[in-house]
Formats: sequence, C-alpha cells, structure tokens
Amino acid sequence: AQKVTQAQTEISVVEKEDVTLDCVYETRDTTYYLFWYKQPPSGELVFLIRRNSFDEQNEISGRYSWNFQKSTSSFNFTITASQVVDSAVYFCVHPGDDYKLSFGAGTTVTVRA
Amino acid sequence: NAGVTQTPKFQVLKTGQSMTLQCAQDMNHNSMYWYRQDPGMGLRLIYYSASEGTTDKGEVPNGYNVSRLNKREFSLRLESAAPSQTSVYFCASSEMGVTYEQYFGPGTRLTVT
Repeated sequence: AQKVTQAQTEISVVEKEDVTLDCVYETRDTTYYLFWYKQPPSGELVFLIRRNSFDEQNEISGRYSWNFQKSTSSFNFTITASQVVDSAVYFCVHPGDDYKLSFGAGTTVTVRA
Repeated sequence: NAGVTQTPKFQVLKTGQSMTLQCAQDMNHNSMYWYRQDPGMGLRLIYYSASEGTTDKGEVPNGYNVSRLNKREFSLRLESAAPSQTSVYFCASSEMGVTYEQYFGPGTRLTVT
C-alpha cells in the first residue's frame, strides 16, 4: 500500500531563511504521481505541484523548488527566502489506484517576522 | 470562475439530526470527492464520484451517503449525526481520477453535540 512519511512535525524559521520539507514515500507502482499541497491558517487546501515518476528533473518556480529522487523515494520541497505568508501546513500526497490519496501527516511551517 | 464552492461554511447539529452538505464545481471536472479532516490529521476520503452517474465508498463511508446530482454537483448527507462526525469536511474535484491534481472547496466546519 502507498504510504507517505513527513518526519518533520514543525519547522520554525525567521523571515528570509530557507525551509526544506522532507517527504519519503512507499509505493508498489512503477508509474506514479506525487503532489504537494499547502493549508494556510484560513483552512483551505491549495495545490502546489504535481510530479510523475517519469520526470525526475528538479524544478524551480519563483521561491519554490522541488527535489524528486526515485532512488531514495524522496520528494522534498524548499521555500527560498521564506515570508510570513508561507506559514501553513504542507502536505506531501501520493494518490493510489483505488482513488485514495495517501496524505503525509503534514509539516507545520511557521515563519516569524 | 468560482472553482469549488461548498455550503454551509459552519453548522452545529444535535445528535440524531440530519443534514446535507452541498458542493458544486464550475471547472467541468469529471471526478468529485468528499473528505473529512480531523485535528492533526491529513484528509480521509469518505466517498468519491469518478464520473457523473457513479459513486463509490472511500476509507470512512459509514454514516454518510452521497448523490452526484449532475456533473457540477456532489452532495454529502448525514442521516443521523453523531459526535464522532464532528470534523471539517472538504469537497474536491479533479479532471479525471486521482492522478490529476484536486481542487478543494473552502470546507464546512461541522460540530455535532
């Protein structure tokens, strides 16, 4: 069965510091997808990125970057030069073939001014 | 576009009362989902509708029923509310299936006393 582990429960940083969120997944699938979602204090869930197992290229989008490594089953997410508005819970998610999304437990990021 | 809308935003029920949570999406998505989120946890799938005219149970379907009214609307009904159903409920939609990113509604905070 799919399983997602986010070992970091909480991370607290000062504004402008970089933050890296770890995600390790387990899957039996040869082709699979991974997502990151953000849940700010207001409560809504915001989609950030979708990656498939064929695409191991790291990507940078503004202040966000992703490091996907199949060899270590990791899909890490970095926020560069963090801002107070980045304070949120971040979920790493792996969808299964039974329509079930396997959520990691989430990492709470607090950015202090 | 409004994306995914949910009503109501907040609701308090007494044990044994019934209610229906409404969800609508305007993105022409085929798949729709209902989740619940309990404190400190990721989301758990209650029911999903892979396409118009179909519905299936997720991880935690007991005590709930759903109706896919048309392509846009997917409602969740609690027939006899119990305190264990106190939670935040999210509706989501995706283009087709769980390998596509899901877009979430703002959530309904339900308290059963």
